[in-house]
Amino acid sequence: DAGVIQSPRHEVTEMGQEVTLRCKPISGHNSLFWYRQTMMRGLELLIYFNNNVPIDDSGMPEDRFSAKMPNASFSTLKIQPSEPRDSAVYFCASTLGKELFFGSGTQLSVL
Amino acid sequence: RKEVEQDPGPFNVPEGATVAFNCTYSNSASQSFFWYRQDCRKEPKLLMSVYSSGNEDGRFTAQLNRASQYISLLIRDSKLSDSATYLCVQIGGSQGNLIFGKGTKLSVKP
Repeated sequence: DAGVIQSPRHEVTEMGQEVTLRCKPISGHNSLFWYRQTMMRGLELLIYFNNNVPIDDSGMPEDRFSAKMPNASFSTLKIQPSEPRDSAVYFCASTLGKELFFGSGTQLSVL
Repeated sequence: RKEVEQDPGPFNVPEGATVAFNCTYSNSASQSFFWYRQDCRKEPKLLMSVYSSGNEDGRFTAQLNRASQYISLLIRDSKLSDSATYLCVQIGGSQGNLIFGKGTKLSVKP
């Protein structure tokens, strides 16, 4: 199995631009999580889906952030407009039971 | 108060040493706990689950103390390759989402 696949690996953009992060979970997994990691705040849960339905989005910082999961094999996290404080590593993870499998992350830098 | 708290370290230990980390949690209803390991610039990966009765996997021992609301990870005979950040995780909330601590950094020196 290829594991959780995220793209892009790195994204450098200017403040105000729209950023879209993509994730393909492991086939057969029914839950998908989006996390953000910074040195200051550690790993923060942004949102998670169960069977493609958003269950808890209380971690989404503000309206600039949105996430979708149109089908079981694809999810996106969008930031519009982006700000420098959004710079972080964004991880997608999926699970069928308790073990969470992470993608390699997207390193986002907003200048 | 953050739901899961860890000493960030770093813990600098020589090869062969025994080192222990603790992690405190605030959600007493939580049933499941884990330790994840994260190498520099990599994604977190499951190290081991934490059972009420304690569990051991080679040089690693994890324990849960419900009365004091903390879990621990003990590493015996530490190796250079154990150098990483160790993340404490609990399944919390009504929906079962995984909540991570900020991690404890371990550096094993020759």
